[in-house]
Amino acid sequence: QKEVEQNSGPLSVPEGAIASLNCTYSDRGSQSFFWYRQYSGKSPELIMFIYSNGDKEDGRFTAQLNKASQYVSLLIRDSQPSDSATYLCAVKLGGGADGLTFGKGTHLIIQP
Amino acid sequence: DTGVSQDPRHKITKRGQNVTFRCDPISEHNRLYWYRQTLGQGPEFLTYFQNEAQLEKSRLLSDRFSAERPKGSFSTLEIQRTEQGDSAMYLCASSLAGAYGYTFGSGTRLTVV
Repeated sequence: QKEVEQNSGPLSVPEGAIASLNCTYSDRGSQSFFWYRQYSGKSPELIMFIYSNGDKEDGRFTAQLNKASQYVSLLIRDSQPSDSATYLCAVKLGGGADGLTFGKGTHLIIQP
Repeated sequence: DTGVSQDPRHKITKRGQNVTFRCDPISEHNRLYWYRQTLGQGPEFLTYFQNEAQLEKSRLLSDRFSAERPKGSFSTLEIQRTEQGDSAMYLCASSLAGAYGYTFGSGTRLTVV
């Protein structure tokens, strides 16, 4: 069974600090990896995707992928109270499969 | 273009009744996806279409669930003989084929009583 594991939290981080969110996945065939942010009562919105080993930066966000360890992470620099949300990790297999498998999400709280 | 539109926003139904939800994707998007999300869980993939063809279905999509996208534009998701376990947020998303990630609609919240 394909699984995506995340610590549900809550993860509490002071404003201005770096928030680090982690995710592991079980299927070595996974090829693309996504981070979605979901505010309470809202639908998920895509923050970043990554498909190659290493780091990918976009503004205050950095996604990190290590396929050998089956591990993907999201770093949020200079955390703001508006970053408080649930962060969902999702993976997609290759080979024509297009559905995403999501983790349960990590609830992040940025403390002013 | 106002994004992915879902209707209704909320639906309360009695157990055993049939319900149908509608999704209108972003106009130029040829892929359309249905997911289900329960409280405290991530979205679960149900099915997706490319144009009018249904290309992938999850084993979660029991015989009581059926989805259509007859003209490759809007889609409907029908649940027959609803059960209390069907209570969830039903999310629709759309994308262009080959794009990474997709845009979700606001969802339809189903409550089965």
